[in-house]
Amino acid sequence: NAGVMQNPRHLVRRRGQEARLRCSPMKGHSHVYWYRQLPEEGLKFMVYLQKENIIDESGMPKERFSAEFPKEGPSILRIQQVVRGDSAAYFCASSPVATEAFFGQGTRLTVV
Amino acid sequence: EDQVTQSPEALRLQEGESSSLNCSYTVSGLRGLFWYRQDPGKGPEFLFTLYSAGEEKEKERLKATLTKKESFLHITAPKPEDSATYLCAARPANAGGTSYGKLTFGQGTILTVHP
Repeated sequence: NAGVMQNPRHLVRRRGQEARLRCSPMKGHSHVYWYRQLPEEGLKFMVYLQKENIIDESGMPKERFSAEFPKEGPSILRIQQVVRGDSAAYFCASSPVATEAFFGQGTRLTVV
Repeated sequence: EDQVTQSPEALRLQEGESSSLNCSYTVSGLRGLFWYRQDPGKGPEFLFTLYSAGEEKEKERLKATLTKKESFLHITAPKPEDSATYLCAARPANAGGTSYGKLTFGQGTILTVHP
């Protein structure tokens, strides 16, 4: 059973470009979470999704950030018009109902 | 506001020197206290979940305990391969949904074990 798969592992974008981060949950997991880890800061919750539904987006910045988890395919975290402050490690986690979440290896976004 | 605080920020031990990491939390209605291990450049790796005061769980050289206000991760006779950042996280009662992935994390304790 493969773990949570994130790609790309590293992503470089110029200011103003769009970043798309992908996450395939573990087999049998229908809950997906996105977290952001800024340099020298802890992991911060961004959004919680189930298939075709956003359950909780209380941690998402109000502008430029969006997330989806379609019926088919991976979950996508999309950042429009990236700025230098978006440079961070973005982690996806997945869980089945009522157990702990398992994390992927993350996508390291660098905005130049 | 829910808050998780870990101490110390960094801990250096000699191989075989036992110690404890602390995690204090102020969370509205705790519904789970989690410990993860994170190696440099990697994602967090799940270690333990604790649900109620007095609960203890063990795995190899690690033992996690929980009180009403804090959790401890005890490391017995550590080895260099135990070097990592240890993260504590809490799931509050208002996390919503039926899963356990919306967590409030502490800043972590960076553990270095010298041979």
